[in-house]
Amino acid sequence: NAGVTQTPKFRILKIGQSMTLQCAQDMNHNYMYWYRQDPGMGLKLIYYSVGAGITDKGEVPNGYNVSRSTTEDFPLRLELAAPSQTSVYFCASEGAGGYGYTFGSGTRLTVV
Amino acid sequence: DQQVKQNSPSLSVQEGRISILNCDYTNSMFDYFLWYKKYPAEGPTFLISISSIKDKNEDGRFTVFLNKSAKHLSLHIVPSQPGDSAVYFCAASSFHNRKLIWGLGTSLAVNP
Repeated sequence: NAGVTQTPKFRILKIGQSMTLQCAQDMNHNYMYWYRQDPGMGLKLIYYSVGAGITDKGEVPNGYNVSRSTTEDFPLRLELAAPSQTSVYFCASEGAGGYGYTFGSGTRLTVV
Repeated sequence: DQQVKQNSPSLSVQEGRISILNCDYTNSMFDYFLWYKKYPAEGPTFLISISSIKDKNEDGRFTVFLNKSAKHLSLHIVPSQPGDSAVYFCAASSFHNRKLIWGLGTSLAVNP
């Protein structure tokens, strides 16, 4: 029972580079979320999706893009990495039946 | 504007004693509250929740109390164990908006 799987676990990017953070869940959850957590701060919502083909912005969407072509996958794209995007990124999913997110183990991204 | 506030960044208790973590909220539309626990280098994991129609919910050593008039909830851990040492996040949502609003977390240290 994998739950929510995030890859990679760690990544160092140079300013201006692009990358995709992968997130996959095997629980057939409709709702998926991308958060970032900066040191000493809470979780900030970047983007979310209520189902395949539907995405929407959260609190801090600038500099990111997402897609949701399948129920299982919800990748997060950074097009032009900036030092301000240095953070730990968490993906989460939730079933339609109720609250309670299942989180992945996170991706620690450093932009230098 | 922090809608969910955890005013204590850290808390230290002795093993076997009670840990009380507090959370205040400002939005009266919130009707569902959750506590998550986070260990370093891992994603948050769901701990316990409470609906606004209740004032108490208990699960083993963990009890959450909700005071709607004061817009306050608390998590009690009895007895505290060293393995409970983690960051605890309070989160809230409303029926009309499933997105969770998170507090900044309280770091709990349980000393042997």
